[in-house]
Amino acid sequence: GDSVTQMEGPVTLSEEAFLTINCTYTATGYPSLFWYVQYPGEGLQLLLKATKADDKGSNKGFEATYRKETTSFHLEKGSVQVSDSAVYFCALIQPGTSYGKLTFGQGTILTVHP
Amino acid sequence: DGGITQSPKYLFRKEGQNVTLSCEQNLNHDAMYWYRQDPGQGLRLIYYSQIVNDFQKGDIAEGYSVSREKKESFPLTVTSAQKNPTAFYLCASLYQPGQYNQPQHFGDGTRLSIL
Repeated sequence: GDSVTQMEGPVTLSEEAFLTINCTYTATGYPSLFWYVQYPGEGLQLLLKATKADDKGSNKGFEATYRKETTSFHLEKGSVQVSDSAVYFCALIQPGTSYGKLTFGQGTILTVHP
Repeated sequence: DGGITQSPKYLFRKEGQNVTLSCEQNLNHDAMYWYRQDPGQGLRLIYYSQIVNDFQKGDIAEGYSVSREKKESFPLTVTSAQKNPTAFYLCASLYQPGQYNQPQHFGDGTRLSIL
């Protein structure tokens, strides 16, 4: 079945550092890929998405590129802020899945210090 | 503003008790979902519903039940058969489940604990 694997956390960075959170997936066909962010005590918010190979999703300074050849969707940000501290989830959805099921990675906790 | 409202934010369950978590959406979305979140395990699908009066089991449905009598509402009951109910529960919705490139929208969650 489909699966998503994220890099082990937690990740701790200083403000203005470069961020990479790795995400790889296993799926047949051409899934759509998403990054969600969860701030403490809240639900998930969509951060960005990509629906086909070589697409780049971007939002709030975060970027991720859909790499079909490496089955990856790594999240990057050039300069993190304290306010970026949250849990980040990579997820996919398979076309033809009529009920819209999302498959999630286990989440990566990011802590940014001043 | 449109969105998903989950209540209560915190809930405590006694042994042998059933409890119901509320989820209401005013986004006019067709599909609704319940997820369970445990530390380090991501989100797991409990139940989903594509249309009113229809719902299907997800990956971890045992010990849970749902109903979908109205488009806006998808309550989740955690029954006494669920032996490890302590978790963060998230409700989500999707405009049209066949549109696979659309993201699900999430509520702010309910944290359930055992007394």
